[in-house]
Amino acid sequence: GQNIDQPTEMTATEGAIVQINCTYQTSGFNGLFWYQQHAGEAPTFLSYNVLDGLEEKGRFSSFLSRSKGYSYLLLKELQMKDSASYLCAVSPSTDSWGKLQFGAGTQVVVTP
Amino acid sequence: SAVISQKPSRDICQRGTSLTIQCQVDSQVTMMFWYRQQPGQSLTLIATANQGSEATYESGFVIDKFPISRPNLTFSTLTVSNMSPEDSSIYLCSVELAGGQETQYFGPGTRLLVL
Repeated sequence: GQNIDQPTEMTATEGAIVQINCTYQTSGFNGLFWYQQHAGEAPTFLSYNVLDGLEEKGRFSSFLSRSKGYSYLLLKELQMKDSASYLCAVSPSTDSWGKLQFGAGTQVVVTP
Repeated sequence: SAVISQKPSRDICQRGTSLTIQCQVDSQVTMMFWYRQQPGQSLTLIATANQGSEATYESGFVIDKFPISRPNLTFSTLTVSNMSPEDSSIYLCSVELAGGQETQYFGPGTRLLVL
């Protein structure tokens, strides 16, 4: 089967750093995405990794290890507005990287 | 980036009826998809909307229940047929933009409640 696993919830204080791990087992691999989803809103794109290594984009960074089937999203200098669900998604299809399989999401709660 | 609109944004429907959801994009896109997000859960891909031909459905989804049209590159519809309360969900369209950008954009979603 195909699995994408991530923790259900994480809590951190404002200004801190949080790392959200994602492990995956899929039939194919054509890239890994991270999305942010605030309650009642559509997911918004954060990052895309297809090669091993770290991609940095402002306060957010994403890492991928294809051999380990592992990724993480690093959120630095947490702000209250970062409280949201973070979705790890894998594109297993080589004919279209837009056909995504999503993990269940990690709810990040930022406290003052 | 792309601006994606969906209509309706929400609806409350009676069991046994059908609802058609529209998705319109303001940019050139290559692929369009429909996803479902059931309450408290993550997103599940329903199908790929193919321009001018039948949609490609994922396991567990069938054309009779979720007929999809895509008459041109920037517009698609999803119909939820013969609805039951289990169809209460958020339905989202998503797109791949032309130009090979490895980014997928989601529409705002349609919140459906079936009584």
